[in-house]
Amino acid sequence: DTGVSQDPRHKITKRGQNVTFRCDPISEHNRLYWYRQTLGQGPEFLTYFQNEAQLEKSRLLSDRFSAERPKGSFSTLEIQRTEQGDSAMYLCASSPRQGRYGYTFGSGTRLTVV
Amino acid sequence: DQQVKQNSPSLSVQEGRISILNCDYTNSMFDYFLWYKKYPAEGPTFLISISSIKDKNEDGRFTVFLNKSAKHLSLHIVPSQPGDSAVYFCAASDDNNDMRFGAGTRLTVKP
Repeated sequence: DTGVSQDPRHKITKRGQNVTFRCDPISEHNRLYWYRQTLGQGPEFLTYFQNEAQLEKSRLLSDRFSAERPKGSFSTLEIQRTEQGDSAMYLCASSPRQGRYGYTFGSGTRLTVV
Repeated sequence: DQQVKQNSPSLSVQEGRISILNCDYTNSMFDYFLWYKKYPAEGPTFLISISSIKDKNEDGRFTVFLNKSAKHLSLHIVPSQPGDSAVYFCAASDDNNDMRFGAGTRLTVKP
């Protein structure tokens, strides 16, 4: 499989619990992005990595959110003390070089906080 | 901040006719524009792009037009096919490669 993989596909959690999502990018892509998409909206940028370095974080990424990309391969996105407003589709994408040729997105992780 | 806007949440066209999806942007630093297509339960897939040095890019049935003075771009699909039914997102990026997406337009192509 040469695409971007995200795990899990769906996650239902109780408010206040911590959740962690994983993204495996295309192996030769050095850039990795996290986006969040809520109903009726387009993907909103959260953060991105070039190799293992986290180069930018959106204001949307509150202190409860943390992302890592150890060794520049897979990435994890953790949300602590989840709130109902965190319910969304979390999309991961990867790109080669500057990524001006379009990102390759994974299928996303749909989070529901109850 | 809505830097990329798709003002039509939905569009319905007849099979064989032209579909025109519109997108406006506000940030003059954007210099690369893309269209993505999204089916339910899948991530967006890249469709076509255009650099700000061009005003038109064509790929088969898909053509993207860019009007920099109006900060407007459009995607033309001709002829439209039922398999084109999906949500289409317009996206724009600057030289920092931060990509911003519009809210999407749901295209329905009726047989």
